[in-house]
Amino acid sequence: GAVVSQHPSWVICKSGTSVKIECRSLDFQATTMFWYRQFPKQSLMLMATSNEGSKATYEQGVEKDKFLINHASLTLSTLTVTSAHPEDSSFYICSARDDLWGKTGELFFGEGSRLTVL
Amino acid sequence: TQLLEQSPQFLSIQEGENLTVYCNSSSVFSSLQWYRQEPGEGPVLLVTVVTGGEVKKLKRLTFQFGDARKDSSLHITAAQPGDTGLYLCAGGAGANSKLTFGKGITLSVRP
Repeated sequence: GAVVSQHPSWVICKSGTSVKIECRSLDFQATTMFWYRQFPKQSLMLMATSNEGSKATYEQGVEKDKFLINHASLTLSTLTVTSAHPEDSSFYICSARDDLWGKTGELFFGEGSRLTVL
Repeated sequence: TQLLEQSPQFLSIQEGENLTVYCNSSSVFSSLQWYRQEPGEGPVLLVTVVTGGEVKKLKRLTFQFGDARKDSSLHITAAQPGDTGLYLCAGGAGANSKLTFGKGITLSVRP
């Protein structure tokens, strides 16, 4: 299957700092990527849809100025958590849809990034 | 709003037992995926079903898509500890649509 890589796998930062998480599709092009947040023992909560070359589409209740998304190429999307606070601590996961073979809508997920804000 | 209900929410069984879990909705989906997620990792795609009534097998796992494309089931034969994880179903309304995820089923298989 297609491979999606996230970096970093985990990060610890001080309150008030910004953290950038990268999501790369390694062997396919992805016009569309998705960013999720997941709390312990819960399902995925979609935060935003990242579109290559255009602005991201945010879900209701997600602050676009807090969670900055940039999708500058067909293989890379980044999520920047700005001025992070302890309540932003979570597991962030990205997914991507293969432009060529994603006709049935299936997604491939990154490994996830564990953010801890002190 | 399309919703996917997964049941049971939690399941703990002994190694070697069989089990069936469900993913139900009142909405029709053009495709449905099942993923398995282990703690601290991202979900891994298990299968995609697109045709009503379709049955797909992946070793000991059997997936079925309902005739009306509103529901799906996952049957595991002779469960093993390696099957432990969070099973998520997700439905899509079209090729470029965002997926709707169920809340997941936490499966624990005891040795």
